[in-house]
Formats: sequence, C-alpha cells, structure tokens
Amino acid sequence: GENVGLHLPTLSVQEGDNSIINCAYSNSASDYFIWYKQESGKGPQFIIDIRSNMDKRQGQRVTVLLNKTVKHLSLQIAATQPGDSAVYFCAEIPYNQGGKLIFGQGTELSVKP
Amino acid sequence: DTEVTQTPKHLVMGMTNKKSLKCEQHMGHRAMYWYKQKAKKPPELMFVYSYEKLSINESVPSRFSPECPNSSLLNLHLHALQPEDSALYLCASSQAQGATYEQYFGPGTRLTVT
Repeated sequence: GENVGLHLPTLSVQEGDNSIINCAYSNSASDYFIWYKQESGKGPQFIIDIRSNMDKRQGQRVTVLLNKTVKHLSLQIAATQPGDSAVYFCAEIPYNQGGKLIFGQGTELSVKP
Repeated sequence: DTEVTQTPKHLVMGMTNKKSLKCEQHMGHRAMYWYKQKAKKPPELMFVYSYEKLSINESVPSRFSPECPNSSLLNLHLHALQPEDSALYLCASSQAQGATYEQYFGPGTRLTVT
C-alpha cells in the first residue's frame, strides 16, 4: 500500500514534562514561520508564529525558536498536558509567493498521564 | 465567529460520479484555500482564491474544479476521480492573501474514491 514504510516521527512525553518538537525548513528565502496543531478529525489550528528577523517568540506555555543559520525551527511546550496530544506541523511562508504555506512533515506528540 | 465550515464531513464516490465539496466562512475573509491531506502527511496547497478570483493553482489535475461564487463560499467540484485522490480535503480562509494573514482551517471532508 502507499503508506508502507511511511510514518510520522513521534514524541512521547509524561504529563507535566516539557516537550520539544523540531523542524527543518528548506527555503532560505522564507520570511515567516508558523506552528500548527492538528488533532484527530480536525483541521490544523494556529499555535504561534515567528518572523525571520526574530530568533525567539513566546506565547502561553509555548516558545518558538528559529535558527536561520541551519534552517531549523523548534516548538517548546511547557508542562505538557494530555490535551496537547496531536500532530504538530511547522510551516514556512516563502517571501513573495502570495502567502503560500509550505508544511513540514509533522510530529505526533503523545502525552502519557 | 472564527469558524470555517465544510460539508459533507465524509464522502464516498465512484470514479464516474460527479460531486462537490462546500466550504463557508462568515469572518469577512477575502482569501480562501483548498488543501489536500493524505494520511500521515502534511496538507498540500491546491488552490487559492483572492477576492473571488483564482490566484494560485498548484498544477492540480482538471478533474478538480474550484469555484468561488461569493466571498463567503468556496466549492470544489469533483469529476472522474481516481482512488489515489482519496484524502482529507481542507478548506481555509484568511483576511487577505499574504504571509502575515493567519489561515483558519475547517475540519475537512474525508473523501474516499472507490
């Protein structure tokens, strides 16, 4: 079948621990980056964004770090809760492509109570 | 109201059928999007409408035909699909087309082509 050998990277954490989800992006001309959360049976939901002229941005319980040198993005979730269990996608928006979102492969976060 | 609604939730169709997916938003957004998402994969952009005009077509086969009848509605007409077109079809909208405008996603239509 078409999904043979394909799987999402998974991260399993204990409730209350911090989670770090990583993402490599491809386009050095990308201007803007977003983290999305997708729960089962739902569409992606915006979590936090960061512009290319920043290297860190904090939200409520979440922090995004951007390292443009190595084209790497990370999402840190503090005090992870069972409700955080979902698939997390990073997305980049290249400059001057009409706001086109290019999603990364995703990471499945599983929180153990 | 920050909701994007999609109907139907599930759709099973044969390869000779014609069907349509519908998307609606009442946030006054002027950009609307169709994405395709296969199992365990990220969403992939198909089409973008800006002010009811087709702005981006990501080289999607003509068996998928988008339509934006007004600023609140977006349709995706399906005809002569293949089994490999089975996927979750997501609609999104944003205030306008551009990098800084947050895209709000609907829950998707899960399509199965038999």
